[in-house]
Amino acid sequence: GQQVMQIPQYQHVQEGEDFTTYCNSSTTLSNIQWYKQRPGGHPVFLIQLVKSGEVKKQKRLTFQFGEAKKNSSLHITATQTTDVGTYFCAGSHNYGQNFVFGPGTRLSVLP
Amino acid sequence: DTAVSQTPKYLVTQMGNDKSIKCEQNLGHDTMYWYKQDSKKFLKIMFSYNNKELIINETVPNRFSPKSPDKAHLNLHINSLELGDSAVYFCASSLWDRNYEQYFGPGTRLTVT
Repeated sequence: GQQVMQIPQYQHVQEGEDFTTYCNSSTTLSNIQWYKQRPGGHPVFLIQLVKSGEVKKQKRLTFQFGEAKKNSSLHITATQTTDVGTYFCAGSHNYGQNFVFGPGTRLSVLP
Repeated sequence: DTAVSQTPKYLVTQMGNDKSIKCEQNLGHDTMYWYKQDSKKFLKIMFSYNNKELIINETVPNRFSPKSPDKAHLNLHINSLELGDSAVYFCASSLWDRNYEQYFGPGTRLTVT
């Protein structure tokens, strides 16, 4: 079945450092979403990527979808303590009927 | 004015019991989901309903039975609870034809003893 992997599993950074999490699918995706879950909270939608090679930015966050639509990345520039949480990617084969979530990357930011 | 709400927030019960979790959304969405998040934080979809019809039913024991009385509600009933059912259960909703951005509820932490 479809598998979505993420690396790293954990990342500890000093405040102000950059952070990147990578998402890889064993099969070609139709679209991919990214979510953030704060400790003790629920997943919150960040963005969706649909097109091959697509790049989207939200302030300090940059999201990329690979040319083959099998991988994606989330890059945070100059992390802040408010960035702490687990970042999940979720991939779909059929434009959203069933999203498979990656295991998440847990980000810790040291002040 | 909570968008997606779940009750109860915490549920502690003994093995063998039957329990229900309720979910309601006031976003006007037509699709609702149940996810299970285990102790390792893996999020796995269990069920999805579109306009009250079941469209996704992943490999979940038939002790789990969802019910959608209307588009705004999706409940989850669990029979004969087992220790392995302990997890956080999230309800989510989305619009079927609008990028499927999912709005998650606050979660129900189920502990089976």
